[in-house]
Order: sequence, then structure tokens, then C-alpha cells
Amino acid sequence: QKEVEQNSGPLSVPEGAIASLNCTYSDRGSQSFFWYRQYSGKSPELIMSIYSNGDKEDGRFTAQLNKASQYVSLLIRDSQPSDSATYLCAVLGSGTYKYIFGTGTRLKVLA
Amino acid sequence: GAVVSQHPSWVICKSGTSVKIECRSLDFQATTMFWYRQFPKQSLMLMATSNEGSKATYEQGVEKDKFLINHASLTLSTLTVTSAHPEDSSFYICSASRAGLGYTFGSGTRLTVV
Repeated sequence: QKEVEQNSGPLSVPEGAIASLNCTYSDRGSQSFFWYRQYSGKSPELIMSIYSNGDKEDGRFTAQLNKASQYVSLLIRDSQPSDSATYLCAVLGSGTYKYIFGTGTRLKVLA
Repeated sequence: GAVVSQHPSWVICKSGTSVKIECRSLDFQATTMFWYRQFPKQSLMLMATSNEGSKATYEQGVEKDKFLINHASLTLSTLTVTSAHPEDSSFYICSASRAGLGYTFGSGTRLTVV
């Protein structure tokens, strides 16, 4: 059973701080990794995708991938209350076009 | 670009009736669409993969006779929940992929069966 694990949270950070969200996956052959943000009652929206080891930055967001450790993370700098949401890690398994989603981490940014 | 429209956004139906949910890719052709279900505070669970012009592929444990999927064109996939029961109440979300842009989700449909 291929799995994607996330801490469900809630993770609470003060406004302006860095929020760090983590995700581990079991399928060593996975090649594509995604972070989605989901507000309550809404569908997920894509924040970042990452395919190779290292860091990928986009504005206040940085995705980090370590395939050897089967670990992917998302850093949110200068966190804002509007960043409060559930963040879903999604992994595209090897030899498949199907996402496997983690259960999500609920982030609370305190004003 | 890469907009996926899902309709209706919410629906309430009586137990035993059927409900159809539509998913349209507005500015691209989607040969493959996916249908997910999400219960409160749980992750998205893939129900089925919808392929244009062929039968859908259902995940283990999903009743294909209850959740009918039709993907008649490159821009439209429909999910029909037949003989709905209260336990089918959930958030249903479709998604479609476009090369190089990842997967785009529809806005979701909140189904409540009373």
C-alpha cells in the first residue's frame, strides 16, 4: 500500500513567522510531488510542484525534496492569516498517473 | 488557463434518488479526469479514473453500479450517484490533467442526502 503521511496538526504560527510543513512517502519510485492548499469547504488549489532533489522557491513558498529520505516539505515565509488552511501533500506514484494524497496538515496563522 | 468547472456546487437530495455532477474542462481537452470523494477532516480519496470514450476505472471498494461515470467528450465527465443514501453525503471533487500544468481541480460538489 503506497502511502503519504502528514502530521494532521493544527500547526499554529504567529503572523510573519515561517511555517514548515512536512510530508513523507513510501513509494521510493515516485517522481512528482505537489503541495495543495485547501480552504474549508473548497477544493484544493495547487501551490507548488517539485520533481528533483533540492529546493524550489516561488514567492513566499519554498518546496524541498529529498528523495533519499523520501521526504518533501513546504516552507511558507512571512506567514499571513490568509495562509490558514489545510495543506495537502500529493505524490504521483511510479508508473501511474494517479495522485496519492496525504491527510493534510491544518495550518493556523495567528494575527 | 487550465480551468475546470464543476456543477452543481451543492445539492440536497432525498434518499433513493439519483444525482448527477458535471465536470468540464473549459480551456483545454482532458482525456483523463479523476473523481474524488472527501469526508470531513479526511483526505481526498480517488474513486475512479474517467477516460474519454471508454469505461471508467474504479478504485477498489467503489461500487461502479452506484457511481456511474460517463466521459463522452474531451471536455465533459459526469458522475451520477444512483439511489443515494445518507452515507453517500460527502464532498465530491473532479480533477483533470493538462500536460505540464499538473492536475487542476473543480470547485467541488457538496452532496447532502436526507
